[in-house]
Amino acid sequence: NAGVTQTPKFRVLKTGQSMTLLCAQDMNHEYMYWYRQDPGMGLRLIHYSVGEGTTAKGEVPDGYNVSRLKKQNFLLGLESAAPSQTSVYFCASSSPSRRGLTDTQYFGPGTRLTVL
Amino acid sequence: RKEVEQDPGPFNVPEGATVAFNCTYSNSASQSFFWYRQDCRKEPKLLMSVYSSGNEDGRFTAQLNRASQYISLLIRDSKLSDSATYLCVVNTAPGTYKYIFGTGTRLKVLA
Repeated sequence: NAGVTQTPKFRVLKTGQSMTLLCAQDMNHEYMYWYRQDPGMGLRLIHYSVGEGTTAKGEVPDGYNVSRLKKQNFLLGLESAAPSQTSVYFCASSSPSRRGLTDTQYFGPGTRLTVL
Repeated sequence: RKEVEQDPGPFNVPEGATVAFNCTYSNSASQSFFWYRQDCRKEPKLLMSVYSSGNEDGRFTAQLNRASQYISLLIRDSKLSDSATYLCVVNTAPGTYKYIFGTGTRLKVLA
């Protein structure tokens, strides 16, 4: 079991360039999430998905798009990168527990993105 | 007021010490609570879920106080390897995306 994997691990972009971050999970989880983490701030949700073919906006969705064509994959796209998008991006996945009360999230190793 | 608040620290403690962190949350309807550990430049990893009755896992004890709306994490007999940032996470609606992360409390255990 690889858990949650992310590619690439590092990337440097110039302003205006585009790129796609890939997240894959092998735990058959229903829910997947994209977060960004910036110094001094908690993880902030960008977009999330509650199932294959469905996506929704989180707290900071502007400048990002996502797709979930397969249950195990969740893609995050930056159409026109800006320096404000310099951050560490984490993907996570979860499934409701049988008790319905706790949903543990499992995180990928992160992608460090710098936009110049 | 932030939805989830933590003292950022750092907490510098000697090996063997007991240290406690608190985390306050603003949404009284919150149902699920977690402590995650994050090492420098790594992903967050679940340390423990926090149940109403409190729970213990080895040297770690987590408790929930609904009346005062805070959760706590107690680490006994601190090890050097406990040095990390501890994130408080509150799920305001179980089964949904609404995970609110605190900014984390940094712990440094000194030899």
